Amino acid sequence: QKEVEQNSGPLSVPEGAIASLNCTYSDRGSQSFFWYRQYSGKSPELIMSIYSNGDKEDGRFTAQLNKASQYVSLLIRDSQPSDSATYLCAVNRLGYQKVTFGTGTKLQVIP
Amino acid sequence: EADIYQTPRYLVIGTGKKITLECSQTMGHDKMYWYQQDPGMELHLIHYSYGVNSTEKGDLSSESTVSRIRTEHFPLTLESARPSHTSQYLCASSGKRLAGADEQYFGPGTRLTVT
Repeated sequence: QKEVEQNSGPLSVPEGAIASLNCTYSDRGSQSFFWYRQYSGKSPELIMSIYSNGDKEDGRFTAQLNKASQYVSLLIRDSQPSDSATYLCAVNRLGYQKVTFGTGTKLQVIP
Repeated sequence: EADIYQTPRYLVIGTGKKITLECSQTMGHDKMYWYQQDPGMELHLIHYSYGVNSTEKGDLSSESTVSRIRTEHFPLTLESARPSHTSQYLCASSGKRLAGADEQYFGPGTRLTVT
């Protein structure tokens, strides 16, 4: 079992819809959770961090964390074609020196 | 905004040459990382450092070496480039904002092609 698992996609949603991206992790000691966006040919860009159970909202983005079920999700409201990218989930355990990245989910927003 | 720089952005070089990829950050971060990523593929951690004079190998075996003599500088060296080294190399840095937090910020990357 991979430490961080994501569906590779592509996930296709129409413009204006809600895109829901999911990530599961295997290490129950994980404390910090991150979502990165990576456009084709570019480097990853941090868009959300979440550390506590529940929801965290930032503009059109909402991160949701459920430690009991070991999953973290990212919701993108009012999806735009410019949101088309690969979204990477990353997880860190308290005291560990490095994070573990998932393989990413490719999102396509159809105009 | 993250301030992390990589040079060169693109490099085409012949087999057997020695190359150094530069990475610098101005955020005072203790931790720095090198990742390798092929197009459309996942990130692979090849080296990391949690401070000056400390370096560790990552999850992916690599023939490259790194050094960390200054906090802001984390160069990666390939002593003898081979076509199998052709890839995108991404540098990142992080510093604790909260207990347990480790937000990484990435540089623009170096696209290496070995002919």
